[in-house]
Amino acid sequence: GENVEQHPSTLSVQEGDSAVIKCTYSDSASNYFPWYKQELGKRPQLIIDIRSNVGEKKDQRIAVTLNKTAKHFSLHITETQPEDSAVYFCAAIDGQNFVFGPGTRLSVLP
Amino acid sequence: KAGVTQTPRYLIKTRGQQVTLSCSPISGHRSVSWYQQTPGQGLQFLFEYFSETQRNKGNFPGRFSGRQFSNSRSEMNVSTLELGDSALYLCASSMDGNTEAFFGQGTRLTVV
Repeated sequence: GENVEQHPSTLSVQEGDSAVIKCTYSDSASNYFPWYKQELGKRPQLIIDIRSNVGEKKDQRIAVTLNKTAKHFSLHITETQPEDSAVYFCAAIDGQNFVFGPGTRLSVLP
Repeated sequence: KAGVTQTPRYLIKTRGQQVTLSCSPISGHRSVSWYQQTPGQGLQFLFEYFSETQRNKGNFPGRFSGRQFSNSRSEMNVSTLELGDSALYLCASSMDGNTEAFFGQGTRLTVV
């Protein structure tokens, strides 16, 4: 089955800097890759996603890139703000099942 | 439209008891997945239901079971509770399991 790795596990950046979180997956048949943000005490919320027929997708300060050949995809957050502090999860579809990465705790320091 | 609703929000149970959690998906969504989240353990997949059928199952003991009703609402049952079952249980719904999934607020289960 699908296996998703995520790095780094923790990330601290200064406010205004960029943050990058990388995920790798194992199943070349996976074709949908969402990213979720989970703030403390809240539910995970979808922030951006990408399908395998697209290499990059951007939504304001957030972007996701996908390299199908290397089987990795990355989340890029520019001009980070304190409210970006949260745990971020990547996921890949394995058949009808979402396989999540272990999460990255992002701290944006003022 | 209404989001994914999980009930109850909090539960305290005694070791050995059983518990049933409920998840009402977004209207029109036919896929419901369940996850266990413990501190530092990420989102562990329990099972996924689509049109009342369990399509996928994670690596959890048989004490964890679920079902889905014709209106797509789903329930999860845990029998013979253990202390280690204390966790946040999240459900997520999507149209068909291959598209955007939306999470409920979760049920925080504490086993004492």
